[in-house]
Order: sequence, then C-alpha cells, then structure tokens
Amino acid sequence: AQSVSQHNHHVILSEAASLELGCNYSYGGTVNLFWYVQYPGQHLQLLLKYFSGDPLVKGIKGFEAEFIKSKFSFNLRKPSVQWSDTAEYFCAVKGGSQGNLIFGKGTKLSVKP
Amino acid sequence: DVKVTQSSRYLVKRTGEKVFLECVQDMDHENMFWYRQDPGLGLRLIYFSYDVKMKEKGDIPEGYSVSREKKERFSLILESASTNQTSMYLCASSFSSYGYTFGSGTRLTVV
Repeated sequence: AQSVSQHNHHVILSEAASLELGCNYSYGGTVNLFWYVQYPGQHLQLLLKYFSGDPLVKGIKGFEAEFIKSKFSFNLRKPSVQWSDTAEYFCAVKGGSQGNLIFGKGTKLSVKP
Repeated sequence: DVKVTQSSRYLVKRTGEKVFLECVQDMDHENMFWYRQDPGLGLRLIYFSYDVKMKEKGDIPEGYSVSREKKERFSLILESASTNQTSMYLCASSFSSYGYTFGSGTRLTVV
C-alpha cells in the first residue's frame, strides 16, 4: 500500500530563515505529487504539484519542491519564510491513474516574527 | 474556480444520532471524496465516489456510509454517531488526475 511520511511534526523558524520540509513516499510506479497548505481556520489549498517533466516545481507564494525519484522524495522549500507562512503543510501522493490521494500526517510550521 | 461547499461549518450531535454531512461541488467533477482530519493523524480517506451512484470504501469506512444520487452532491452519513467520530470532516472533488479542491470542512462534535 502507498504511504507518505513527513519527517517533522512541528517546525519553528524565525522570519527570513530558510525552510525545508521533508516528504517521502512509498510507491514504485508513476506518481503525482502534491503539497497542500492549511492556514489557521482555512481550508486546504494546493501549493504545488508534480506530474512529469522538470523535477523542480515552483508553486505559489515562493514555495518550490524537488522530486528526487531515486530517493522517493518530494521536499518542500522556501528560501525565506514570513510570519504569514505559519500553517500546516501536507504532502500527498497519487499513484497510478486510478489511485486516490494519500496524505502525510502534516507538518505544522510556526514562524516567529 | 471550483467551489466545494459543505453545508455546515460546525455541528454538535448527540451519541446515537444519525448525522448527515452534505457536500456540493459546482464544476461537474467526476470524483468526490470524504476525509476526516485529526491532529497528528493527517487526512484519512473515509469514502470516495467516481460516478453517480458509485461508492468505494477508503481507509476508515467503519461507522460511515455515503450517498451520491447526483453528480454534484456527495453525502456522508454517520449511522449512529459516537464520540470517537468527533473530528473535522473534509469533502473534496477532482477531475481525472488533477489535484483535489477541498471544502472548508465541517467540525463535528459528538457529545
């Protein structure tokens, strides 16, 4: 069965620090990969997605993620976080054409002003 | 933009009640999903549907059922609510392999 692991449960950073959130998945075939964000009190929103092509994907609000097939990883990065990035971040994987999205357990990011 | 609307933002129900959570999407999406979100557990799939009158069990279907009589509407039913079903319930829809669009969620408390 597919699974998604997010390494950090809670990350605390100061503004302007760089961010990297880890995500590993277990699925041997073709995958679609996603990062979602949930700001406090709001619904889940798509940050970025990878289907094929350039493994470095750019998303909204300055976020990017790199798909490394050999490591089964899809880590989320941002060079300089802001207080407004405080949210919970979810990595998700969809394996095959009929698969459902499988979510990781989420990483809470707290950014200190 | 696709809109996924969940009928209630907050609900409080008593143990043993039958509970209906409604979800409507406005973009003719084929696929609809119900997840529950719990702290430290992420999102867990309860049921999903790829077409009208079609349903498939997700990872945690016990204690739940669903109904999809029309393409735009996907209802989650708690047959006899229990306190361990207190949670945030999220509905989502998607077209083919694209990413999901989520509703705002229904926070259900069972007392």
